[in-house]
Amino acid sequence: AQKITQTQPGMFVQEKEAVTLDCTYDTSDPSYGLFWYKQPSSGEMIFLIYQGSYDQQNATEGRYSLNFQKARKSANLVISASQLGDSAMYFCAMRERGSNYKLTFGKGTLLTVNP
Amino acid sequence: NAGVTQTPKFQVLKTGQSMTLQCAQDMNHEYMSWYRQDPGMGLRLIHYSVGAGITDQGEVPNGYNVSRSTTEDFPLRLLSAAPSQTSVYFCASSEGGSGNTIYFGEGSWLTVV
Repeated sequence: AQKITQTQPGMFVQEKEAVTLDCTYDTSDPSYGLFWYKQPSSGEMIFLIYQGSYDQQNATEGRYSLNFQKARKSANLVISASQLGDSAMYFCAMRERGSNYKLTFGKGTLLTVNP
Repeated sequence: NAGVTQTPKFQVLKTGQSMTLQCAQDMNHEYMSWYRQDPGMGLRLIHYSVGAGITDQGEVPNGYNVSRSTTEDFPLRLLSAAPSQTSVYFCASSEGGSGNTIYFGEGSWLTVV
């Protein structure tokens, strides 16, 4: 079974609107961390936001927020007020204590922001 | 700050040649790893290290060797390059622990012909 599933290969959003990128994960480890990375066309991996398995509140970083539903094992990324520069590939990833903290990635979602 | 530095950025190899991708970090991180990125596959872990002298295999280790003689450096060796190893390679480093951010190098584009 896949550890990280991103079911949306591509998403489109209008500039200034909000968009949600889906991520579900599979683990039996009680201690894990969930990450979102952005990869623009230039290729670098940019860290966006982190959610720990024991965190009581959803993580937020500026226009990025993480909708963490632990019982459903989902960690969706919400981008508010989309900008043209948000057009990129977005990856959800997980580190588990039990797997020696290896980072496992989903296959990504390509977000296109339309003017 | 240099962060994670990978070299070379671009490389073309002939089938059967060997080469080493260099990776260095200046953040005194214990944890270093190598990923490859292929279209539609996301990033897949090749090898990782939890400290100097300690390495282990990831998801796709075949055809690659690593060593960790110092905390700073984690080179990836392609023993006998194959076209299937054409990919973008990323080196990454972090502190251990599930909550610590992983920092990536800028990537190395490798083509095997």
